This record gives sequence, C-alpha cells and structure tokens, in this order.
Amino acid sequence: EAQVTQNPRYLITVTGKKLTVTCSQNMNHEYMSWYRQDPGLGLRQIYYSMNVEVTDKGDVPEGYKVSRKEKRNFPLILESPSPNQTSLYFCASGFSYEQYFGPGTRLTVT
Amino acid sequence: QQPVQSPQAVILREGEDAVINCSSSKALYSVHWYRQKHGEAPVFLMILLKGGEQKGHDKISASFNEKKQQSSLYLTASQLSYSGTYFCGTASNFGNEKLTFGTGTRLTIIP
Repeated sequence: EAQVTQNPRYLITVTGKKLTVTCSQNMNHEYMSWYRQDPGLGLRQIYYSMNVEVTDKGDVPEGYKVSRKEKRNFPLILESPSPNQTSLYFCASGFSYEQYFGPGTRLTVT
Repeated sequence: QQPVQSPQAVILREGEDAVINCSSSKALYSVHWYRQKHGEAPVFLMILLKGGEQKGHDKISASFNEKKQQSSLYLTASQLSYSGTYFCGTASNFGNEKLTFGTGTRLTIIP
C-alpha cells in the first residue's frame, strides 16, 4: 500500500531533550516536506527536500533540523525542544504539484 | 506571508453551494487546494497553474486569477462528505517547492 508513515504518532517530552520524528514513504517520491499545524495558523512549512542531500528552509525552520540521506526517509530533528514547538506535525511526500500527507505526529513539550 | 482565506468558517445545509476564496499579496505561479477532515491528514484536491485556468473535480471546481492573485474554490450541491477544513497553498515559483498555506476555511454541512 502506498503510504507515508510517521513515528511516533504521539510524543510527550520535556524541554531540551533531543528528539527525532521519523518519516518514510514507499512511493519513490523525490519531494518530501515537513509541516506544523497549529490552531488558527493553518499549515506552515518547516523544511522541504527536492531530492537526496537537497534540503531547504520553509517558512518556520527555526529550532528544527532535517536530513535526507535516503530517498525514502526524511527525519525531523528537534535538538533542544521548547514548549512553543508543541504542535501537530505532518510529513508529506509527492510531486511538487501534489503531496501525500502522513497521519501526523502530535508533539507536546513541557 | 500566508494567503488570506475567506470566510473563516461557514455552515451550509446539504445541497447548498459554497465558495471559498484565497487571496495572496504576492505574485503567484500556482494555487493548491487541500481538504482536511477532523482528525485526519490533509488530502489533495487540485492544483491551478498560472494561466487563469479553471478546473473541476466532481462537483468541486476552482478558478485562478493570477492578475488579482486570487483563487476561489466552488462546491456545488454540497454533500455531507464535503465537511472539513479547506486550505489553499500558494507557490510563487515554477516547481512549487515552497508552499505557503492559508489558515483554512472550516466548512460544516448539515442535513
């Protein structure tokens, strides 16, 4: 089944404790992206990647890192999470003109 | 800067029509429409490219006026399944790598 998977789906952590949210797709897409969704603010792009080893900043990259070492994986790294990074995170892959979203990861930073 | 969507929320009875607008302050190359049902991930509806085209998808269609930097999504004879939050995403360059989404329009269809 063609899909985008994210892990974990839910995470509660403490300020400053490094974490990684994984994203994997099995559709051989070159394009992948990370978004955060907050009430009243819609979807905001964090980082995107056009291909392996090619990443670029979206609208809200501060406090996040990404890497694209393999085509299928695009992990999101929070090296020192803060409470303002509490959010619902979506990974997406696809073509630049059509993206398929993963199920989301709800992150709470206390 | 995020595109502005209007209205922010709308409630309709089944069978009524709806229009959702998306307006940007920047020149646009493309507009993308997604629908997100409660508790689910956004799902792609359609993309409109520079050229002022109009596209249709069942009873959902959209237009794009690049001179006005505006797009509108039309939902005709709405069904209960149309309920959800609709987002427009805009891109200023060919390739559409960097998408900026609006804050969404919540559509509720009641029987």
